[in-house]
Amino acid sequence: EAGVAQSPRYKIIEKRQSVAFWCNPISGHATLYWYQQILGQGPKLLIQFQNNGVVDDSQLPKDRFSAERLKGVDSTLKIQPAKLEDSAVYLCASSSVLSGNTIYFGEGSWLTVV
Amino acid sequence: AQSVTQLDSHVSVSEGTPVLLRCNYSSSYSPSLFWYVQHPNKGLQLLLKYTSAATLVKGINGFEAEFKKSETSFHLTKPSAHMSDAAEYFCVVTLYSSASKIIFGSGTRLSIRP
Repeated sequence: EAGVAQSPRYKIIEKRQSVAFWCNPISGHATLYWYQQILGQGPKLLIQFQNNGVVDDSQLPKDRFSAERLKGVDSTLKIQPAKLEDSAVYLCASSSVLSGNTIYFGEGSWLTVV
Repeated sequence: AQSVTQLDSHVSVSEGTPVLLRCNYSSSYSPSLFWYVQHPNKGLQLLLKYTSAATLVKGINGFEAEFKKSETSFHLTKPSAHMSDAAEYFCVVTLYSSASKIIFGSGTRLSIRP
């Protein structure tokens, strides 16, 4: 089966600019996650969707970050305006009860804010 | 409350010698436990998972882990390290209720000496 797809893989922007990342989960996976991973640290959950509803966005900086999953399939994560400390890898993951709730990750979108 | 502790931030072994990466967890319920590997500039790849079946779990690339409920541990082992095993390893615990909760360990960086 196809894995979790993310794009773009790499992005360099200036601070105060905006950026958007796209994720297409594994087909049929109801749960979708966005994680932020700063260099040298473990992933931090930004937002979790169950179908098109938000389950957990407690660690999402809502003044600058937004995410949507309008049709319960693919998702977009937006940062506006970006700050230097947003430089990180943004990992999308998905899971399904039918696949034993194993979480599958994409390759990540690497953001550098200069 | 759930938590997961990776006891070593960095482990260094010689090629051909055994690998032991330690992970302890805390959970009020029967957890699902996972080990993921992250090679430089890559996403997280599932190594193996425990979901209340056999306590000794075999994964990819010769890795295995043993679930020990009495010790609340899920240590990752490999009999003989290979240079390609050099990577970051994350122990993950999940609790499945109406909304799955995922807790990442802080990661262990594995270095392999020639």
